Amino acid sequence: DAKTTQPNSMESNEEEPVHLPCNHSTISGTDYIHWYRQLPSQGPEYVIHGLTSNVNNRMASLAIAEDRKSSTLILHRATLRDAAVYYCILTRMNSGYSTLTFGKGTMLLVSP
Amino acid sequence: DAGVIQSPRHEVTEMGQEVTLRCKPISGHNSLFWYRQTMMRGLELLIYFNNNVPIDDSGMPEDRFSAKMPNASFSTLKIQPSEPRDSAVYFCASSFGFEKSNQPQHFGDGTRLSIL
Repeated sequence: DAKTTQPNSMESNEEEPVHLPCNHSTISGTDYIHWYRQLPSQGPEYVIHGLTSNVNNRMASLAIAEDRKSSTLILHRATLRDAAVYYCILTRMNSGYSTLTFGKGTMLLVSP
Repeated sequence: DAGVIQSPRHEVTEMGQEVTLRCKPISGHNSLFWYRQTMMRGLELLIYFNNNVPIDDSGMPEDRFSAKMPNASFSTLKIQPSEPRDSAVYFCASSFGFEKSNQPQHFGDGTRLSIL
């Protein structure tokens, strides 16, 4: 499976935008880019996913580079509740099924 | 809507005892996943089911671990006999159409297992 590279940690101030980068230089044409986050003492939570075009939902935006070798998760206004580990994951079909392989992710710290 | 429900939330038991973790997926979902999370190894996929059939159990660490899905609304993960190194948080997740590569998984709150 293609691998992703994320910074270990990032810091932000409350109510400021946050841009979480992810590199995936070996991505293939059919790989989807997924983002999940895990708040303390909770299970992972789906955030957003995309294939080629930028995506927006109520939680965040996903900006995908034109060559798809990198992407950025954008939180438009960080809140203290956004402090979590954010995982960037590629999913690829294998024999008709795909799974999530979690890396170490980026720990986002949000200060008041 | 009810999310993925796991029980118990916490389990403390002595080495050698049998441990059974339970999961109720979201109604209508046809894929179910069991994960384990530790500080050392992070989140690891143990096994996943599609339409109640185990598809890939290559992540199950040893024969002491077994998982079943007798019907679409219930799954168990059993450890027998348990060992201290099995201590971890175990998560269950479900999805609809995950075989299509682009459907999100929904996770439960996990079972924190401590083996003494």
